[in-house]
Amino acid sequence: DSGVTQTPKHLITATGQRVTLRCSPRSGDLSVYWYQQSLDQGLQFLIQYYNGEERAKGNILERFSAQQFPDLHSELNLSSLELGDSALYFCASSGSQGMNTEAFFGQGTRLTVV
Amino acid sequence: GQQVMQIPQYQHVQEGEDFTTYCNSSTTLSNIQWYKQRPGGHPVFLIQLVKSGEVKKQKRLTFQFGEAKKNSSLHITATQTTDVGTYFCAGVHPRTGKLIFGQGTTLQVKP
Repeated sequence: DSGVTQTPKHLITATGQRVTLRCSPRSGDLSVYWYQQSLDQGLQFLIQYYNGEERAKGNILERFSAQQFPDLHSELNLSSLELGDSALYFCASSGSQGMNTEAFFGQGTRLTVV
Repeated sequence: GQQVMQIPQYQHVQEGEDFTTYCNSSTTLSNIQWYKQRPGGHPVFLIQLVKSGEVKKQKRLTFQFGEAKKNSSLHITATQTTDVGTYFCAGVHPRTGKLIFGQGTTLQVKP
């Protein structure tokens, strides 16, 4: 158990809809990262938050947004969903501001867009 | 933009054979991390290399960071069925600070 909690584990929704994925980092970790993993693909970095502020941005679509709340949990919002958005979405947390320390990954949310 | 390439994409070995995966970056990295993802699981941190030419060992696993800090390798000696999974390298860009993952190498071990 990494200590990072993601909900829900599975999500099935229709094209055009909007969903919210939730992540609770390890106790004490201030950084939260979101990654997208498509079938047979590596991990695509989406975005990082550190102590409530956006820290780094990757290949995140404009239809996607995220935020980190004062209690440090984070939410990833995906809107106007397309079939190609079907993927495993991982949240990770670490204790540092930079990505130069071990990241602890949650179990992931498997999103299926039909 | 920064790219991290990993080869091979897949590797099937007989139990007891050795295995190596290679990671190459288009830019110099400040450090490199390795993760393992078991089938149906999530990535789990294995190790981080920081210094040029650094070599670290974990039991049957040997990790190397190149002298130019642009490439890295993971070597597993005498593979076991428990080694099955996808091994990812991830490099940190010194300027952007982003952790960019390679595509991963999926290892299958035949008993």
